[in-house]
Amino acid sequence: GNSVTQMEGPVTLSEEAFLTINCTYTATGYPSLFWYVQYPGEGLQLLLKATKADDKGSNKGFEATYRKETTSFHLEKGSVQVSDSAVYFCALRFSQGGSEKLVFGKGTKLTVNP
Amino acid sequence: KAGVTQTPRYLIKTRGQQVTLSCSPISGHRSVSWYQQTPGQGLQFLFEYFSETQRNKGNFPGRFSGRQFSNSRSEMNVSTLELGDSALYLCASSDPAGGETQYFGPGTRLLVL
Repeated sequence: GNSVTQMEGPVTLSEEAFLTINCTYTATGYPSLFWYVQYPGEGLQLLLKATKADDKGSNKGFEATYRKETTSFHLEKGSVQVSDSAVYFCALRFSQGGSEKLVFGKGTKLTVNP
Repeated sequence: KAGVTQTPRYLIKTRGQQVTLSCSPISGHRSVSWYQQTPGQGLQFLFEYFSETQRNKGNFPGRFSGRQFSNSRSEMNVSTLELGDSALYLCASSDPAGGETQYFGPGTRLLVL
């Protein structure tokens, strides 16, 4: 079936450190891939997306490249800030029965210390 | 454009009661999806409505139901509440013409005592 596996957290980094959160997926067909972020006490916000192989999504200094050969969509940021502390969710969207479905990973909690 | 709004933001109920949560999608979005988020199970899909019809359904008992109105606003109802229904309920809207990317509301936090 269609599923997403992302690295377990929590992840703790110092400010200005390099961030990688791994995400791999299993899917039939050609899914779209997403990263969502959830700040404490809030809903999910779309961070970035990629709709086809080799696409790179980017936003707010975060990047992720859709790698079909390794079925991965790892999230990276060159220099994290305290304000990046949040839970990050990798998600996959696929078509089934004429409609679109979204499947999420379990989330990775990131804490950035000053 | 205003984002997805959900009301109420917080709710406390007791076992056996029922609850109705409301979601107003982004203007122009006709698809509304509901998710339950708990620490143990993560984000789980409840159901999706499109043009007032349920288009998809997750693996939840019949106590969980929903509907969508002609203005695309949606409600979900949980009857005979159980302690395990305590969760953050998230609503997301999307526009098929816009690639169906889902935009989430802030959620309703339900506590069942």
